[in-house]
Amino acid sequence: SQQGEEDPQALSIQEGENATMNCSYKTSINNLQWYRQNSGRGLVHLILIRSNEREKHSGRLRVTLDTSKKSSSLLITASRAADTASYFCATDGPSGSRLTFGEGTQLTVNP
Amino acid sequence: SAVISQKPSRDICQRGTSLTIQCQVDSQVTMMFWYRQQPGQSLTLIATANQGSEATYESGFVIDKFPISRPNLTFSTLTVSNMSPEDSSIYLCSVEKGTGTPFTGELFFGEGSRLTVL
Repeated sequence: SQQGEEDPQALSIQEGENATMNCSYKTSINNLQWYRQNSGRGLVHLILIRSNEREKHSGRLRVTLDTSKKSSSLLITASRAADTASYFCATDGPSGSRLTFGEGTQLTVNP
Repeated sequence: SAVISQKPSRDICQRGTSLTIQCQVDSQVTMMFWYRQQPGQSLTLIATANQGSEATYESGFVIDKFPISRPNLTFSTLTVSNMSPEDSSIYLCSVEKGTGTPFTGELFFGEGSRLTVL
């Protein structure tokens, strides 16, 4: 079964607004990652946050991790139409097992 | 980084036939993974392709249905056998960015192979 659950399933915003996506997981992890998938394409790695980190930034992306709540959030600031894509969180297991992907959030940024 | 080429990018197949998907990486990698993404769904790991040994399959996936080859450190194939409409999916090859075992790194993905089974 999928470890990660994401919400919302779909999010539609206007260009320039911020977009926040959430991910919850069930078991302990070594790290949590976020990926983007443009329609009809493969996944692109965005950012990795380790279990001993609470927040990480990369350009317009900010990721937080709360291991006590087993949840993470991805914030995209000043969104652009090109940010339109599906966003997936992915977690590994305590023994460094293979990644398990969440259900994804479909983000639409309207120009 | 790693550049991953998958072939075919898409195909339409008849029920009962088999199709082999190829994955070529531009550098040697230890771990190669095959994922399935059903329409509108997330990714499910099918198996880990190991060089020089049999692939390691996840629960719900078997070698007879999804035979995998890994003849060297840059190439792998996934065959979808005896296809049915339920096999209509995107099949994605991926490799890890980090090295060594256990897996601790990010994944690079191919563009995927979109199969439609009629």
